[in-house]
Formats: sequence, structure tokens, C-alpha cells
Amino acid sequence: GNSVTQMEGPVTLSEEAFLTINCTYTATGYPSLFWYVQYPGEGLQLLLKATKADDKGSNKGFEATYRKETTSFHLEKGSVQVSDSAVYFCALRGGATNKLIFGTGTLLAVQP
Amino acid sequence: GAVVSQHPSWVICKSGTSVKIECRSLDFQATTMFWYRQFPKQSLMLMATSNEGSKATYEQGVEKDKFLINHASLTLSTLTVTSAHPEDSSFYICSLPGTGTDTQYFGPGTRLTVL
Repeated sequence: GNSVTQMEGPVTLSEEAFLTINCTYTATGYPSLFWYVQYPGEGLQLLLKATKADDKGSNKGFEATYRKETTSFHLEKGSVQVSDSAVYFCALRGGATNKLIFGTGTLLAVQP
Repeated sequence: GAVVSQHPSWVICKSGTSVKIECRSLDFQATTMFWYRQFPKQSLMLMATSNEGSKATYEQGVEKDKFLINHASLTLSTLTVTSAHPEDSSFYICSLPGTGTDTQYFGPGTRLTVL
């Protein structure tokens, strides 16, 4: 069945460092791919998405490219800020059920 | 986007008691709401889909008699964990779909600890 694997955290970075959070998936067909972010005390929010191969989703300086050949959707940001500290979830939607399938989440802690 | 609240944000209860968790849509009417649970360091797992005015649809392996879902209005869905046991300790999250096919709005979650 469909599944998502993302790197375990926590990831601790200094402000202005480069961020990569790896995400790979297993799915039949052509799923849509998402990154959600959960700030402390808040619900998950959609950060970005891509619906087909080679699409690049971007928002708030974050980017992720849908790579079908490597079944990956890695999240990147060139220069992180303290306010980016949150838990990041990779997810996919696809197949007959059309349900959202989540990864385990990666905690990012950015230090000033 | 829609604002979703959950109450309580955390609860501690004794084994054998029942706990009710509320999920409210503050500015959006929802005929459908989703309930997820998350164990430490694991994914969010969809438990059930709550349907306003009708029975909930449960995912395979989820006990419907243990996790009672009621969706009595377009803005409120409740999840009751009946006869809770320590293995039910988890983080419960609700969400509702937005107008776009890929949109979901999530509540902040409820941390349940069963002693």
C-alpha cells in the first residue's frame, strides 16, 4: 500500500543555515504530495504541495520538487529562521481511497 | 482558511473511564470531519470519517464501539473513548476538508493520557 518515509528528527540548526528534510514515498499511480507544518500549540497547516512529476511546490522560502524517478519530495530552505521551528510532515494522497497518508514528522529546532 | 478548535487540549483519566473530545469548526460548516490519532514518533493514522447526521465511517482495525463518533451539527464532531485503557493514550487530531480537493484544516490536537 501507499506509505511515506521521512527522516527522523530532531533537526537542530543555527539561524540562516540550509535545511533539507528528506521524504520518500511508495505509491501506486501518481499521487499528490504535500508538506504540512505544525507550529507549537497549533494544528497542521498546508505548507506546499505538488500534484505531478517534476512540479515544484514553494511557500515561505521552502521548496520541494516531485521526483518520480527517485520517489522523493525533499523539503529545502536556503536560510532558516527561528520562527521556522516546528514539526514538518510529509504526506501523500492518491489511489482508490484518496486518503492522506502521513510520514512520522520531523521536529526542526532553529537556534539564534 | 477554516479555524478548527479542539477541547480539551489535554486530559488525564483513570483506566476504565470514558473521555469525550470535541472538535469544532469556528467559521466553516462541515458535513464531514476526520479523526486521526498519533503515537509518539509515528505517523498520523486516520481513524474514522465523521458524517453530519449519519453514522461515521471507520477505518479497518478501529473499534467503532470503543471510539464513538457523533457529528450532530455542521460545526461540531465529538470522539468518545469508552472504557479507556493505557494503550489508548495518544494524540487525537481532527480535521475538516476545505473547498479545494487537496485542502484539509486541522485542529491543534488533544493529548490523552490514561493512567
